[in-house]
Amino acid sequence: DTEVTQTPKHLVMGMTNKKSLKCEQHMGHRAMYWYKQKAKKPPELMFVYSYEKLSINESVPSRFSPECPNSSLLNLHLHALQPEDSALYLCASSQGIQTQINYGYTFGSGTRLTVV
Amino acid sequence: AQTVTQSQPEMSVQEAETVTLSCTYDTSESDYYLFWYKQPPSRQMILVIRQEAYKQQNATENRFSVNFQKAAKSFSLKISDSQLGDAAMYFCAYRSAGDMRFGAGTRLTVKP
Repeated sequence: DTEVTQTPKHLVMGMTNKKSLKCEQHMGHRAMYWYKQKAKKPPELMFVYSYEKLSINESVPSRFSPECPNSSLLNLHLHALQPEDSALYLCASSQGIQTQINYGYTFGSGTRLTVV
Repeated sequence: AQTVTQSQPEMSVQEAETVTLSCTYDTSESDYYLFWYKQPPSRQMILVIRQEAYKQQNATENRFSVNFQKAAKSFSLKISDSQLGDAAMYFCAYRSAGDMRFGAGTRLTVKP
């Protein structure tokens, strides 16, 4: 299995809703990432997990809450989002943060989130 | 801090022709890797080609090749025999011992 799987592919939620995005990989990668991407812009790093521990939080608002229950799964819990949070949310994985960096990242196909 | 610059927001190429996408970067590191990613409308970021900074030989992958000029900190992507399926956003990326940095992207249109 050489894929990163993200669910759901599309999500529409109200500003008072609570929802979660899911990301899964079975490549044995020990680093996992959440990115936010606005239209026609590059991905912006949100969170990095290394060996199931939060390694980097790029000053993301607390309405976004990441979770890494095990080495294959990464969740992003959403609560009280704003319309400006509407974007494509990409998950990625790699062998490690500082190991085998020549391999780059493997990306999922993203979740298109719309906040109404 | 490392930065990646793509100065061409949009490019267009005729089918079967060749196009070159530009990328420059700034770093003080000596050991790093450079990547080109393709993002079609399907949204998934797909790795096109990678280059190790310590290798002088330019990487090639079928119709895709790079022109890596380390001293100039330049890393351009050449697409030969362009196909309609090459139409996408292309992101140049840099990685050293840390997370990956992306350029702003170039939208490539392929005309039939």
